[in-house]
Amino acid sequence: QVQLVQSGAEVKKPGASVKVSCKASGYSFTGHYIHWVRQAPGQGLEWVGWIITISGGTNFAEKFQDRVTLTTDTSISTAYMELSRLRSDDTAVYYCARTDYSSPRSHIDHWGQGTLVTVSS
Amino acid sequence: QPALTQPASVSGSPGQSITISCTGTSSDIGGFDTVSWYQQHPGKAPKLMIYEVINRPSGVSNRFSGSKSGNTASLTISGLQPDDEADYYCYSYTSSSPWVFGGGTKLTVL
Repeated sequence: QVQLVQSGAEVKKPGASVKVSCKASGYSFTGHYIHWVRQAPGQGLEWVGWIITISGGTNFAEKFQDRVTLTTDTSISTAYMELSRLRSDDTAVYYCARTDYSSPRSHIDHWGQGTLVTVSS
Repeated sequence: QPALTQPASVSGSPGQSITISCTGTSSDIGGFDTVSWYQQHPGKAPKLMIYEVINRPSGVSNRFSGSKSGNTASLTISGLQPDDEADYYCYSYTSSSPWVFGGGTKLTVL
């Protein structure tokens, strides 16, 4: 079965960077995009960006353009999201998620369990 | 400010039907048949309930249905059950962002 297993919770200081991993199993990793979505405490879902796993191409929400880096290691079916210059309002649960098929217009059909990133001095 | 507008909350009694709306523009909901809906219970990851406006993934109850008219998509849940109590989010491809969520709707089963 499709599984996306994310790395554990992180606590970072303002100005630092964080890198979250997302290991996929149960399907062909390069046949689907990986999206990243975040959810601040008590708030709604916010789309961060996606990566085309077969090529490494990326697309981001405008507010994250200059602070987020998305990468993959296809040899181990793992995607990564790095967020730099952290601020307190970056405190959130970060989810990786898989698209149903390999297209920029495909919906998300499976989600990771989420990784809590806390930014605090 | 989310690009897609949902009511903050809706409620219904067990057995009743409710509808959650999701309003956008011709650049998102009105321009593409890509609306999906996700259910999220507290502390859990979202779960896909409807995709491409009207389609239900295998394993999702046929009490859940989706529709779209113009720039507004809707999720209808019939025969409400206690476990339906959750947050619901719409999600659409857009010509600019390129993906946006609605602000979320809290469903309370009375």
